[in-house]
Amino acid sequence: QSALTQPPSASGSPGQSVTISCTGASSDVGGYNLVSWYQQHPGKAPKLMIYEVSKRPSGVPDRFSGSKSGNTASLTVSGLQAEDEADYYCSSYVGSNSVVFGGGTKVTVL
Amino acid sequence: EVQLLESGGALVQPGGSLRLSCAASGFIFSSNAMSWVRQAPGKGPEWVSAINAGGTGAYYADSVKGRFTISRDNSKNTLYLQMSSLRAEDAAVYYCAKGWVTRNYFDCWGQGTLVTVAS
Repeated sequence: QSALTQPPSASGSPGQSVTISCTGASSDVGGYNLVSWYQQHPGKAPKLMIYEVSKRPSGVPDRFSGSKSGNTASLTVSGLQAEDEADYYCSSYVGSNSVVFGGGTKVTVL
Repeated sequence: EVQLLESGGALVQPGGSLRLSCAASGFIFSSNAMSWVRQAPGKGPEWVSAINAGGTGAYYADSVKGRFTISRDNSKNTLYLQMSSLRAEDAAVYYCAKGWVTRNYFDCWGQGTLVTVAS
């Protein structure tokens, strides 16, 4: 199973919005509404930010939102804050009790 | 507070074996499925293996199938990963994660333990 495709970097100024794409195939992103997004700060463990395409776990700010169209999922961070600077990874269920992750996108707050 | 604490990472030679442990606290361990996810330096995470709450069902990524074995001891609130026939490409930080692979939902991760495979 190939990794999902993400742009290597994205950036925005404080208060602006940034959107990260995650492209897969009909066998993963397009086939299941089971896309998750994780935030990872340097040297730290990943943190779940979005699950089931657009749901937020308790405690995650509503500045974070997710969506999906066809084989591409997206994460939007609105009202960028300095603490949002991190690596973001998408993940999708691919069937047969397995998941695949993307290569990651580094978000820089200018 | 939910806590996951991995241990057992080390430098091991190619072909060697290693057992990782993950001590869980702050939640009902025996009611939750668990997974191991690894991350090589500078790379995205890679799901490795999952086990259901009762320990009766285990699942593996193709890259580790036949070499790694996941298990759990619910009386000790501990998850394990027995790794054998280790290869250079198995080198990574290994995280245990609470959640179920079929929901693609891992809501709590440990701090990770580093496995280095080199001669």
